[in-house]
Amino acid sequence: GENVEQHPSTLSVQEGDSAVIKCTYSDSASNYFPWYKQELGKRPQLIIDIRSNVGEKKDQRIAVTLNKTAKHFSLHITETQPEDSAVYFCAATRRSLQGAQKLVFGQGTRLTINP
Amino acid sequence: EADIYQTPRYLVIGTGKKITLECSQTMGHDKMYWYQQDPGMELHLIHYSYGVNSTEKGDLSSESTVSRIRTEHFPLTLESARPSHTSQYLCASSEGVWTTQYFGPGTRLLVL
Repeated sequence: GENVEQHPSTLSVQEGDSAVIKCTYSDSASNYFPWYKQELGKRPQLIIDIRSNVGEKKDQRIAVTLNKTAKHFSLHITETQPEDSAVYFCAATRRSLQGAQKLVFGQGTRLTINP
Repeated sequence: EADIYQTPRYLVIGTGKKITLECSQTMGHDKMYWYQQDPGMELHLIHYSYGVNSTEKGDLSSESTVSRIRTEHFPLTLESARPSHTSQYLCASSEGVWTTQYFGPGTRLLVL
């Protein structure tokens, strides 16, 4: 089937450094790419999203870039802080066999910020 | 307050029992979803609904069933629970496919 691949599965960075998480997708019709953050014991929450007509989007310390030709998109976190420690999920829209659009999630990246 | 609710939050049950996990949202969203997730692991879509009387199976094969008789309510039922069903079940809703999915707090299920 059409999958979303996410790398790395775990990432450890020093506080203040940058973190980058990458995802690739296979459905050329995908047009919406959100990122969710899930803190330990909490529910996933949207932190940023990007649509296919935009190449980059930034919100304070987080940014997402999209390369539609290569079918990959990335999350960039700058000046990392301890509260950035969480599991991050990328996602992409995909059309089902019944024709409905739905989100497919990547496998997740466990980000640890070391003080 | 507009939110998405799940009950029970924790459930320990014996093999063979029938269970229903409840999910309700007060945001008026047409689209609702059920995910299965082991703690901190991948989110697996098991069912989704784009409106009343509309349900489809997700990517992960599941022995559970769902119904959508009212916009705000999307219960998930397991007719005969097994230890392999032990996991966390997350319900979510959204206004559209290209909009934020709001997740509920989850139900942690343990089948003995």
